[in-house]
Amino acid sequence: QKEVEQDPGPLSVPEGAIVSLNCTYSNSAFQYFMWYRQYSRKGPELLMYTYSSGNKEDGRFTAQVDKSSKYISLFIRDSQPSDSATYLCAMSEGTGNQFYFGTGTSLTVIP
Amino acid sequence: EAGVAQSPRYKIIEKRQSVAFWCNPISGHATLYWYQQILGQGPKLLIQFQNNGVVDDSQLPKDRFSAERLKGVDSTLKIQPAKLEDSAVYLCASSSAQGGGNEQFFGPGTRLTVL
Repeated sequence: QKEVEQDPGPLSVPEGAIVSLNCTYSNSAFQYFMWYRQYSRKGPELLMYTYSSGNKEDGRFTAQVDKSSKYISLFIRDSQPSDSATYLCAMSEGTGNQFYFGTGTSLTVIP
Repeated sequence: EAGVAQSPRYKIIEKRQSVAFWCNPISGHATLYWYQQILGQGPKLLIQFQNNGVVDDSQLPKDRFSAERLKGVDSTLKIQPAKLEDSAVYLCASSSAQGGGNEQFFGPGTRLTVL
């Protein structure tokens, strides 16, 4: 079993839709949860960073962590064509510990 | 603030040849990471440096891969000899906090094709 599982998609939605991206994990020691966006032929770009359980909102993006279910989500409201990218979740046990990445979910927002 | 710089951006070599990649992290970032990202997969950590010391190289195939970070700034990753399965994007990332923190900033990557 992989440390982090992520549905690779692809996911295709119309502009303005709410997008839900999810990851599950098996390691209960994970405390830090990150979402990265990766455009084609570019490096990953940090979107959201959450410690422990709870919600965090930044503009159109909301990250949720449910440690009891070992499940994290990223919601994108009012999706835009510029949101078309691959979204990677990442997790670590603590500061300085290595990140474990999901395989990424490919998202296309259709105008 | 300048981001993480990597070169070259693309490299095509034949199997059994050697190749080297270069990374310049964000100024002042003490922690530097090299990742391998195979098509359709998430990045996998190869090696982590704190200043010029190795923190974690448990997933580095040491029979063919080597990395160094002289003077605690720039870093090079070398593959010798390359195999077909080394075809991937090699990403460099850096972080500012002691022990690496949890905000890693990535460079654009070097796309390696081994024929």
